[in-house]
Amino acid sequence: KNEVEQSPQNLTAQEGEFITINCSYSVGISALHWLQQHPGGGIVSLFMLSSGKKKHGRLIATINIQEKHSSLHITASHPRDSAVYICAVEDIGKDDKIIFGKGTRLHILP
Amino acid sequence: DAGITQSPRHKVTETGTPVTLRCHQTENHRYMYWYRQDPGHGLRLIHYSYGVKDTDKGEVSDGYSVSRSKTEDFLLTLESATSSQTSVYFCAIKAASYNEQFFGPGTRLTVL
Repeated sequence: KNEVEQSPQNLTAQEGEFITINCSYSVGISALHWLQQHPGGGIVSLFMLSSGKKKHGRLIATINIQEKHSSLHITASHPRDSAVYICAVEDIGKDDKIIFGKGTRLHILP
Repeated sequence: DAGITQSPRHKVTETGTPVTLRCHQTENHRYMYWYRQDPGHGLRLIHYSYGVKDTDKGEVSDGYSVSRSKTEDFLLTLESATSSQTSVYFCAIKAASYNEQFFGPGTRLTVL
């Protein structure tokens, strides 16, 4: 079983829809990261969380440490949000080594 | 982009040949990482470095070696490339002040 599980694996939505991507993990963590990877492109860090909630523009990330779960929300989605979103955790039991999820491929239709 | 470059950006080579990928950073970060990214897998750690001449193995280190003789450069070497090492390779640095990782643009390696 993967230590970091993301759902859904693929998501297609219409422009303007509210998007939620989920991440569950099974290890103790010191921090959780959300990353974005555009097709053929590099990887960009969106958020780093250790508790609570963070917001940047139309993106919101939340984490529930007790439930070992995080969500990434996109409000008023736009075709330029189409990308792969990757959840990653720093494993506190392994000197904070990072474990990555397999990613969620998001496609926003105009 | 935290001043991270990778070279080459694309390479095609033959099985059995040695290959070296270079990661270069301009901001004096202590931690550097090499990952590979393959369909159906998350990013997987190959090797990492926590200082000049200080390196350690990741989860998929077999067939790879690394060297870090200067703070700014982290080299990944495939001593004898195999087709299973066809992948996209990403270098990353960890900015201690932010505790975030910043990624290079990636190197697409094809081993025929």
